[in-house]
Amino acid sequence: GENVEQHPSTLSVQEGDSAVIKCTYSDSASNYFPWYKQELGKRPQLIIDIRSNVGEKKDQRIAVTLNKTAKHFSLHITETQPEDSAVYFCAAPGGSARQLTFGSGTQLTVLP
Amino acid sequence: NAGVTQTPKFQVLKTGQSMTLQCAQDMNHNSMYWYRQDPGMGLRLIYYSASEGTTDKGEVPNGYNVSRLNKREFSLRLESAAPSQTSVYFCASTLKPPDTQYFGPGTRLTVL
Repeated sequence: GENVEQHPSTLSVQEGDSAVIKCTYSDSASNYFPWYKQELGKRPQLIIDIRSNVGEKKDQRIAVTLNKTAKHFSLHITETQPEDSAVYFCAAPGGSARQLTFGSGTQLTVLP
Repeated sequence: NAGVTQTPKFQVLKTGQSMTLQCAQDMNHNSMYWYRQDPGMGLRLIYYSASEGTTDKGEVPNGYNVSRLNKREFSLRLESAAPSQTSVYFCASTLKPPDTQYFGPGTRLTVL
């Protein structure tokens, strides 16, 4: 099955700085890479995703990059704000039903 | 649209008791999932249902059973609860994997 590793597990940045979270995956057939944000006590919600036919995707202050050769993808958040503080999860599909395997999460704290 | 709903929101059980967690979605999604979330371990897949009438084990199925009652509803049963099953349980659904998964609000379960 798919193995997804996520780093770092915790990340603190000053407001206005950038944050980068990285994930690696093992299944070379994986073709869909989502990122979820989970605020304290809430459900995970999709913030951005990328498919394997593109190398980068942007949505305002967030972007995802994909390197299929190296089997890793990253989340970039620019001009961080206090409301960006949350746990972020990456995921990749694997198995016969292409079910998602999630990374272990990154606790991002944006310091005012 | 209510999206994905779960009941109950909170539950406390004694070791050996049984209970069923209910999940329903109104988005006409084909695939449904049950995850458990423990600190530092991300979201781990317990069982999934790729389509109505089918169910399969995920990464951590021991101690659980599921029923895909119809296209809308997917329940998770703990036959004899153990303290190791203390966790937050999320149900999720998607139209056709791999694609965006929509999560329910979660059930916080404590087994004493």
